[in-house]
Amino acid sequence: GEDVEQSLFLSVREGDSSVINCTYTDSSSTYLYWYKQEPGAGLQLLTYIFSNMDMKQDQRLTVLLNKKDKHLSLRIADTQTGDSAIYFCAESISSYKLIFGSGTRLLVRP
Amino acid sequence: ETGVTQTPRHLVMGMTNKKSLKCEQHLGHNAMYWYKQSAKKPLELMFVYSLEERVENNSVPSRFSPECPNSSHLFLHLHTLQPEDSALYLCASSPSSGTTYEQFFGPGTRLTVL
Repeated sequence: GEDVEQSLFLSVREGDSSVINCTYTDSSSTYLYWYKQEPGAGLQLLTYIFSNMDMKQDQRLTVLLNKKDKHLSLRIADTQTGDSAIYFCAESISSYKLIFGSGTRLLVRP
Repeated sequence: ETGVTQTPRHLVMGMTNKKSLKCEQHLGHNAMYWYKQSAKKPLELMFVYSLEERVENNSVPSRFSPECPNSSHLFLHLHTLQPEDSALYLCASSPSSGTTYEQFFGPGTRLTVL
């Protein structure tokens, strides 16, 4: 069935890079996404990647996609305390259906 | 108002109450969604409306009843809920075609059922 998995927790020091990993199962996904959720808020779309791309860079964010291994990662360069949040990976399996992972809680230590 | 708004932000209700959650989107989108977010579980898609027609209904108990009167508004009517229904209920919207399928979320309604 459709499944998206992420590690639950990541702790980094301020100024270091963070790498959040995700694996998915549906090889027909058209787009893959990274969302950010801060406390008491909804999900905010950070970036997405089309399935025929290997990499996408957007300022401090770098998304890497290994379609063969069904592995997606989000790298945040120069991580700041404001980056502390829960990050969700999601894959589109139809125009209306996104499958989300359980989220990775990122803690940035000063 | 911009984006996706939800009211109320917090709701406490007893198991015999009837209440409604409201969502409004100001993005000109044609599709709207209800999700349930429980602690340590993936987001659960509950309902999808496209052009005011329900297109997805993921085996949600009948004590949750959605309503989409127009493409900008979505309601979730609640009655005789159970304590395990306590969760964050998120509304989202998206363009319905020719897009990257990205969904835009509201801030959610934190529901507590006593």
